[in-house]
Amino acid sequence: QSVLTQPPSASGTPGQRVTISCSGSSSNIERNTVNWYQQFPGTAPKLLIYSTDQRPSGVPDRFSGSKSGTSASLAISGLQSEDEAVYFCAAWDDTLNLWIFGGGTMLAVL
Amino acid sequence: QVQLVQSGAEVKKPGASVKISCKASGYPFYNYFIYWIRQAPGQGLECMGRINPSGGGTNFAQKFQGRVTMTRDTSTTTVYMELSSLRSEDTAEYYCVRLAADFWNRFYFDYWGQGTLVTVSS
Repeated sequence: QSVLTQPPSASGTPGQRVTISCSGSSSNIERNTVNWYQQFPGTAPKLLIYSTDQRPSGVPDRFSGSKSGTSASLAISGLQSEDEAVYFCAAWDDTLNLWIFGGGTMLAVL
Repeated sequence: QVQLVQSGAEVKKPGASVKISCKASGYPFYNYFIYWIRQAPGQGLECMGRINPSGGGTNFAQKFQGRVTMTRDTSTTTVYMELSSLRSEDTAEYYCVRLAADFWNRFYFDYWGQGTLVTVSS
């Protein structure tokens, strides 16, 4: 069971905006920044958002991150078919002294 | 360019050990911690621990204490992760991952190895 809670699935149609939530606690998301990773089948995760709301170079500005209190969100606007992937959130936990992850959200573009 | 290249897939029997390598290139080896993160089939990500390539110091998740060893070879810029007393639940893809920091010292994993599948089966 993951320490960060994500919905197992999400979906949208091309062009729509979807958000994926990541729920944590005062020892992780509330105190520390959140990172998001995108994973396609059979490949390693790729950094999508770091420090809660920063995009690495090469990541389209359709992807954005935010957080409030003990929850964080990943938003994808102008949804495209190539966005079909699994998305993971991650944060440092001050109590566990460990990096923790969400269980992942599989995004389907219908 | 930054690369983390891991060794190939392994099949092990329960009770055995496995040692995976991760060769780093394209950046100053000493400057970035390397973490090992695993992913069981169809499951989420689990952090096992880290090694500081500069001094070789390690920290492990409590779950793996006593079963995991992480080492590095500075001459070949390679880090190693060895997991012992393997059981079926250790079947997973194992990734070596570089830890980076932004200007305000907020941390994130920026580069991942391609993964090494370890299958534990009798």
